[in-house]
Amino acid sequence: QVQLQESGPGLVKPSETLSLTCSVSGGSVSSAGYYWSWIRQPPGKGLEWIGYFYYSGSTYYNPSLKSRVTISVDTSKDQFSLRLSSVTAADTAIYYCARDTGNCFDPWGQGTLVTVSS
Amino acid sequence: DIQMTQSPSSLPASVGDRITITCRASQSISRYLSWYQQKPGKAPKLLIHTASSLQSGVPSRFSGSGSGTDFTLTISSLQPEDFATYYCQQSYSTPRTFGQGTKVEVK
Repeated sequence: QVQLQESGPGLVKPSETLSLTCSVSGGSVSSAGYYWSWIRQPPGKGLEWIGYFYYSGSTYYNPSLKSRVTISVDTSKDQFSLRLSSVTAADTAIYYCARDTGNCFDPWGQGTLVTVSS
Repeated sequence: DIQMTQSPSSLPASVGDRITITCRASQSISRYLSWYQQKPGKAPKLLIHTASSLQSGVPSRFSGSGSGTDFTLTISSLQPEDFATYYCQQSYSTPRTFGQGTKVEVK
């Protein structure tokens, strides 16, 4: 079965760039029909979709974050990555990676807390 | 963007209760609606996709219904492990959007 695992720094300074990687096991980021997604959840709040990388190579980002987000894929390592630039305290959140089947998100990674603070 | 609105935001309940959570979309999303359960410190877990399809391994006390703009999640007999927060989510269009969540708590 497919499993996802996030990794990256847990602390980022304001104005810097947040970088996270999601490693996929039991499957491939090149598998047809899947959208490899990032979702975040500020502490105690709801879920916000950040964007996805489609297996064909296209990307789509939430318009609310579009100017600051890049999602890329390394097919040789079966990993996909998130970069969020110019972070502020409002970007403090648990960041999840997930596979979007087109109907739902499944599976999810366990999530990683990223705190923006000097 | 399609707005997803859940009600209620909080639902006090007891073990054995039948509970229903409602999710309304700001425009028709056909049946592109999923439900997730989230427990503290854990990632959301898929319960139902395509409005009413039960994910493998999810107990049959969970059920979903609806199409278009109005959807419901029902738990037929609430179990102790069901106290959690539930989210709906639409996959009809991008950006993907979630409801604000419904916390099922002990009455």
